[in-house]
Amino acid sequence: DGGITQSPKYLFRKEGQNVTLSCEQNLNHDAMYWYRQDPGQGLRLIYYSQIVNDFQKGDIAEGYSVSREKKESFPLTVTSAQKNPTAFYLCASGSSDQPQHFGDGTRLSIL
Amino acid sequence: AQSVTQLGSHVSVSEGALVLLRCNYSSSVPPYLFWYVQYPNQGLQLLLKYTSAATLVKGINGFEAEFKKSETSFHLTKPSAHMSDAAEYFCAVSPYGEYGNKLVFGAGTILRVKS
Repeated sequence: DGGITQSPKYLFRKEGQNVTLSCEQNLNHDAMYWYRQDPGQGLRLIYYSQIVNDFQKGDIAEGYSVSREKKESFPLTVTSAQKNPTAFYLCASGSSDQPQHFGDGTRLSIL
Repeated sequence: AQSVTQLGSHVSVSEGALVLLRCNYSSSVPPYLFWYVQYPNQGLQLLLKYTSAATLVKGINGFEAEFKKSETSFHLTKPSAHMSDAAEYFCAVSPYGEYGNKLVFGAGTILRVKS
């Protein structure tokens, strides 16, 4: 079955540590997105990529980094510069003829 | 700038009652509009979409929404609530009136269904 796989489901970060969230899709979608979800704030766009080897900052990119070396994969790194990383992170993919599909999310907490 | 306003962060209805979740948007181009549902600790699932065809859109699980350009609204309704409808609902707009690009989301409405 086609879909989006996010891993891990739960992740813990120590002070000063970078962590990487995985997102893989087998829907053959060109575009991929990372959103951050906080209670009462909806989803806010962190980064997005519409083609391999290219990506753009979203509304809250500070403290995050991404890469898009393969069409199927769009990993998100939460760096130590992100001072408030505790949140639910959602990855999505889409194409020019389909709405965005979402993964099941990764919940990041601080130790 | 495009934006989405969902009126009411929490809505409570009785089982069998009408569900009405409100969404107003702003967009400088003819919009694409979406409603997504999220169950606890899960991703978002598409309920329905408006892409400039029929103004009354039917989705999954008995939900529908009507696009009203004059009111810049896209409210979500369901005639009879079921316990399984309890979830958080998000309205979203495509700022470019197309697929394949970023979405702007509302803050979400948590629907509670009372037995």
